[in-house]
Amino acid sequence: AQKVTQAQTEISVVEKEDVTLDCVYETRDTTYYLFWYKQPPSGELVFLIRRNSFDEQNEISGRYSWNFQKSTSSFNFTITASQVVDSAVYFCALSGLNTGGFKTIFGAGTRLFVKA
Amino acid sequence: DAMVIQNPRYQVTQFGKPVTLSCSQTLNHNVMYWYQQKSSQAPKLLFHYYDKDFNNEADTPDNFQSRRPNTSFCFLDIRSPGLGDAAMYLCATSRGGITEEETQYFGPGTRLLVL
Repeated sequence: AQKVTQAQTEISVVEKEDVTLDCVYETRDTTYYLFWYKQPPSGELVFLIRRNSFDEQNEISGRYSWNFQKSTSSFNFTITASQVVDSAVYFCALSGLNTGGFKTIFGAGTRLFVKA
Repeated sequence: DAMVIQNPRYQVTQFGKPVTLSCSQTLNHNVMYWYQQKSSQAPKLLFHYYDKDFNNEADTPDNFQSRRPNTSFCFLDIRSPGLGDAAMYLCATSRGGITEEETQYFGPGTRLLVL
């Protein structure tokens, strides 16, 4: 089965706190891609990162970092020193040969509230 | 800037009255997608075009149709909107290379209200 689970429905933090959004996936593909998207209140999904299954290096981009662990089928996303502008819904997603051509499986999303 | 544009951002229609949502892109991507997203849910793929080839998802109702007259434009037609069709409709594009590594780029969405 191809599946993405984001167990955290909502998270609320105070500005400047660090926060980690969890993502666990299931796939029978050996080659697959994982994505994170941000959806602010305006509605547009903004692409944040793509990671392929052969690259387990963690990635850091400013205050954002991603931890990919194949052993636990997880691709977690950490925001360091959160800001009010980080308030959004974050989606983890998966694509692979067995998700179907050009089809991406989205998790249910985690809504992050950052309070000033 | 290259982008995905959706018009209008908000659309109000009446129950049963046909409505068309539009999407255009300046990315010159081969693939265009339409998603439906209801409140607090993940986007749900309705269909996509690879160039002129139309690919419908098995569970997409017949009430939803699409047209892609050229590379840049794609339309979503809802023939007889019901109250349950009120949602955000997102258009996305991707380059159209190796299927599983495609990154999708989304437009701002059109929020549809059915009265």
